[in-house]
Amino acid sequence: DAGVIQSPRHEVTEMGQEVTLRCKPISGHNSLFWYRQTMMRGLELLIYFNNNVPIDDSGMPEDRFSAKMPNASFSTLKIQPSEPRDSAVYFCASSQREAAEQFFGPGTRLTVL
Amino acid sequence: DAKTTQPTSMDCAEGRAANLPCNHSTISGNEYVYWYRQIHSQGPQYIIHGLKNNETNEMASLIITEDRKSSTLILPHATLRDTAVYYCIVRPGISGGYQKVTFGIGTKLQVIP
Repeated sequence: DAGVIQSPRHEVTEMGQEVTLRCKPISGHNSLFWYRQTMMRGLELLIYFNNNVPIDDSGMPEDRFSAKMPNASFSTLKIQPSEPRDSAVYFCASSQREAAEQFFGPGTRLTVL
Repeated sequence: DAKTTQPTSMDCAEGRAANLPCNHSTISGNEYVYWYRQIHSQGPQYIIHGLKNNETNEMASLIITEDRKSSTLILPHATLRDTAVYYCIVRPGISGGYQKVTFGIGTKLQVIP
């Protein structure tokens, strides 16, 4: 089992550019979570999908952020336009059921200049 | 609204048991205690969870007090690789449905050679 796969692992971009982060959950898991981690705010839940449907997006900072899950094996988190304050590590996690333990990917370190 | 309280940091000598405490005095009857850890530059990793009985797996033991208001995560023989931030989380079990997981600040465990 490859675990949760995220790409890219590192992304450096300039302010105003579009950024797309990708996640492949563990096969058979029906819940997917996107988190953001910064020194100031710690680990924050951005959005949660269950069976490919967004259930809780209350953590999405603003309209510049959007997330999709077109099928059970793929999700994207998009930031458009990106800003320096979006610099953080973004984690994707999946679980077998919505209340089960979560398995995290290695994260994407985003730097917006 | 923090549901758990943990010490900010702890040290432990290599080879000795690491005992990480967590207070959760407002825990509800259907809520479980979950522990995760995050090694530097990696995604959080699930360790163990329990409801009211003590639990043990290949990674750690979880001791929950009889009144369930506190618990202790025990790493029986700490190694340098156990240096990480440890998060104690209270949440409903599998049958409890979705609830946003709040990771908090956690305890930074430093294992000393």
